Amino acid sequence: GAVVSQHPSRVICKSGTSVKIECRSLDFQATTMFWYRQFPKQSLMLMATSNEGSKATYEQGVEKDKFLINHASLTLSTLTVTSAHPEDSSFYICSAQDRLRAYEQYFGPGTRLTVT
Amino acid sequence: GNSVTQMEGPVTLSEEAFLTINCTYTATGYPSLFWYVQYPGEGLQLLLKATKADDKGSNKGFEATYRKETTSFHLEKGSVQVSDSAVYFCALRTNQAGTALIFGKGTTLSVSS
Repeated sequence: GAVVSQHPSRVICKSGTSVKIECRSLDFQATTMFWYRQFPKQSLMLMATSNEGSKATYEQGVEKDKFLINHASLTLSTLTVTSAHPEDSSFYICSAQDRLRAYEQYFGPGTRLTVT
Repeated sequence: GNSVTQMEGPVTLSEEAFLTINCTYTATGYPSLFWYVQYPGEGLQLLLKATKADDKGSNKGFEATYRKETTSFHLEKGSVQVSDSAVYFCALRTNQAGTALIFGKGTTLSVSS
């Protein structure tokens, strides 16, 4: 149990286009989901906290107009990278919190974004 | 604020060697502590956790003890294998609903046969 999926696993896009990444909790309801970004050989940087039905809370330095987060249901959150540029190339990881399992966080497998 | 400090890597060991990866934390209250592992090209997997002082988390031969007096949660394994080669992240989370994990910078472990 407690599986989180991400789609797509890899995406290559051209500079200036937008990319949507989906994060789904497959067998539990996640009132809270988190989006992280991981640069090569570095730690995970929290980008934003997403609560179902409300606006996401962004960490300092993260542009909310560039990284649009929508958490429309208890099992789905999406991250849209708008007008992507090469510096947005990174590994994006989501996690979902299960309130019925002591707020344990479960991670998705990540999405590798490459902007050319 | 809350933070996690891990020993710098990379750590290079021979198979069957003893492993220690140090982790210390700064937090208000009594956080839960975690070790996650990331294999090449993959996402994070929970390795073990401890939710209160003196708890010992263990899994796959790895273990770590929550030491409140030294604010530490060092990861140990008695005999590493080549398949243990990965990046290990120490993390904490305060026990409040809706709070994210805070990660250390990660330690790369490379085990050779």
